[in-house]
Amino acid sequence: NAGVTQTPKFQVLKTGQSMTLQCAQDMNHEYMSWYRQDPGMGLRLIHYSVGAGITDQGEVPNGYNVSRSTTEDFPLRLLSAAPSQTSVYFCASSYTADGYTEAFFGQGTRLTVV
Amino acid sequence: GQQVMQIPQYQHVQEGEDFTTYCNSSTTLSNIQWYKQRPGGHPVFLIQLVKSGEVKKQKRLTFQFGEAKKNSSLHITATQTTDVGTYFCAGPPVGGANSKLTFGKGITLSVRP
Repeated sequence: NAGVTQTPKFQVLKTGQSMTLQCAQDMNHEYMSWYRQDPGMGLRLIHYSVGAGITDQGEVPNGYNVSRSTTEDFPLRLLSAAPSQTSVYFCASSYTADGYTEAFFGQGTRLTVV
Repeated sequence: GQQVMQIPQYQHVQEGEDFTTYCNSSTTLSNIQWYKQRPGGHPVFLIQLVKSGEVKKQKRLTFQFGEAKKNSSLHITATQTTDVGTYFCAGPPVGGANSKLTFGKGITLSVRP
């Protein structure tokens, strides 16, 4: 059981390049989210999804796109990378049952934009 | 928008000392969750509190949810070096999607052996 898998683990981009961060989960969770983590800023929500075909914006969505065509996958696209997008990105999936919820995080992608 | 505050951001304790940290939300939460992130790692779920005034224990860790469901505390008894890491609280607002968690900035705990 792999849990939440993020690829790549590390990436260096040039300003203006685009790329997709991959996230896959094998737990059949309805909910998936993307966060970025910057020093002293905690985890900030970029986009989230409550099920296949449904996505919504979080706190810091500008410069990022997402789609959720299947339950398992939730890719994050950077349209035109900027140095301000240098960060560690975490994908999470979660489920809710009888009021109980728990989020599982991937190992993270460390992105540097030069 | 909803804000979740954790102050201070850093705390240093001597091994064996007790440690308490607090989490305050600007809005009423549906539930509150605590996560721990070891240096270089990813956040790992510790616990969820749902009911007003709820208290839960995990070995040396005690978690409490405030009566108004806007604040929470984490208390560690007799800290050990294995407690080192950053502790985050997070919660969805009442009526919000459970995947729309707002995280505090976290408190980074260091323990002197």
